[in-house]
Amino acid sequence: DAGITQSPRHKVTETGTPVTLRCHQTENHRYMYWYRQDPGHGLRLIHYSYGVKDTDKGEVSDGYSVSRSKTEDFLLTLESATSSQTSVYFCAIQTGKNTEAFFGQGTRLTVV
Amino acid sequence: AQSVTQLDSQVPVFEEAPVELRCNYSSSVSVYLFWYVQYPNQGLQLLLKYLSGSTLVESINGFEAEFNKSQTSFHLRKPSVHISDTAEYFCAVSDFGNEKLTFGTGTRLTIIP
Repeated sequence: DAGITQSPRHKVTETGTPVTLRCHQTENHRYMYWYRQDPGHGLRLIHYSYGVKDTDKGEVSDGYSVSRSKTEDFLLTLESATSSQTSVYFCAIQTGKNTEAFFGQGTRLTVV
Repeated sequence: AQSVTQLDSQVPVFEEAPVELRCNYSSSVSVYLFWYVQYPNQGLQLLLKYLSGSTLVESINGFEAEFNKSQTSFHLRKPSVHISDTAEYFCAVSDFGNEKLTFGTGTRLTIIP
């Protein structure tokens, strides 16, 4: 398995609270991504990073922010969690353009 | 902008029967195509990919996919499925020079004993 770890694996939180999900890689890959997976929608890109302090928005970025202060860590923050953000979140890493993406095991987030 | 369509959300197939999972894409430039598989409660794993060269690509566990540029398709096939193939399958595309993958909505393959 690619060295990619997501934490926590499961979380239940209340509406309105901030939540941070962590993606940690040991592969020194340049590109990192956060996706959310929902039934009927497949995987949708939230934010991505091409390097330290180099991040950009994906197609469903509203309500989310990210930070990448080190190559190995990519943090996803839900600034004020809503029920619509209940989902499974996946982190992915790539070495470069059009290469294979390696995925973490996912974080199941429930907002109540 | 690129997009991917997987028309079949669920495909039930009898064990040892053949299967085809359909994938169509749209893009204004050259593309790279991927199939990923997700087993229950796991992340996604690459099954096979088309970057260039032969339009027929194969995986180690008997799946194959053919890139058809004229029909903008990349259908996944297996001549004889097994119980262990039960999973969700995602088609994905990235444009030449664009690292980001765009995924289809997935096809859940269920094998009937």
